[in-house]
Amino acid sequence: QQPVQSPQAVILREGEDAVINCSSSKALYSVHWYRQKHGEAPVFLMILLKGGEQKGHEKISASFNEKKQQSSLYLTASQLSYSGTYFCGTYSGGSNYKLTFGKGTLLTVNP
Amino acid sequence: EAQVTQNPRYLITVTGKKLTVTCSQNMNHEYMSWYRQDPGLGLRQIYYSMNVEVTDKGDVPEGYKVSRKEKRNFPLILESPSPNQTSLYFCASSSISGANEQFFGPGTRLTVL
Repeated sequence: QQPVQSPQAVILREGEDAVINCSSSKALYSVHWYRQKHGEAPVFLMILLKGGEQKGHEKISASFNEKKQQSSLYLTASQLSYSGTYFCGTYSGGSNYKLTFGKGTLLTVNP
Repeated sequence: EAQVTQNPRYLITVTGKKLTVTCSQNMNHEYMSWYRQDPGLGLRQIYYSMNVEVTDKGDVPEGYKVSRKEKRNFPLILESPSPNQTSLYFCASSSISGANEQFFGPGTRLTVL
């Protein structure tokens, strides 16, 4: 089952903050976050692991509530370059390493 | 440079004409996967492979085939394409683990007339 992302879309002015949520009905081992510019490949942002470890390439913060099977991505002091569609992908453990993606959140940052 | 490549990037074809989209990675990753992306539906997994000669269905496998004869290559085959397979396709690879990022190819935009 796909994780549920909210909101579906958000419009910001440069410098404003946003939170994108990802919720799963299954127990999770990890949550992955990706950003996709229109027509391009998704780009890795961050992985949050059960137990608290985080791995990421950018100065973006996120949280992972294992008990609630929820993750949130925090975009602070947004820049124009933050515009794009954000996807969370969830992995519930098991031997198939299947990552299931949500439907995405479209973030638009205006000047 | 570590990368996942796909070919072709764009393809327009007609119903029923067999086609293959190639995917290759140079990172020695065990895990490879194909996704299709349609507006409002996100990324949906078609097939995945855990290693050479090990493949399995994802969420939307109907109408597709894959093979994994070499570790670096994971082609997607449409034996008899139909218009509902018009979509943007992404190949991805990663190390075996739920704790490692997936690297995506640039995408293949397929139109089936």
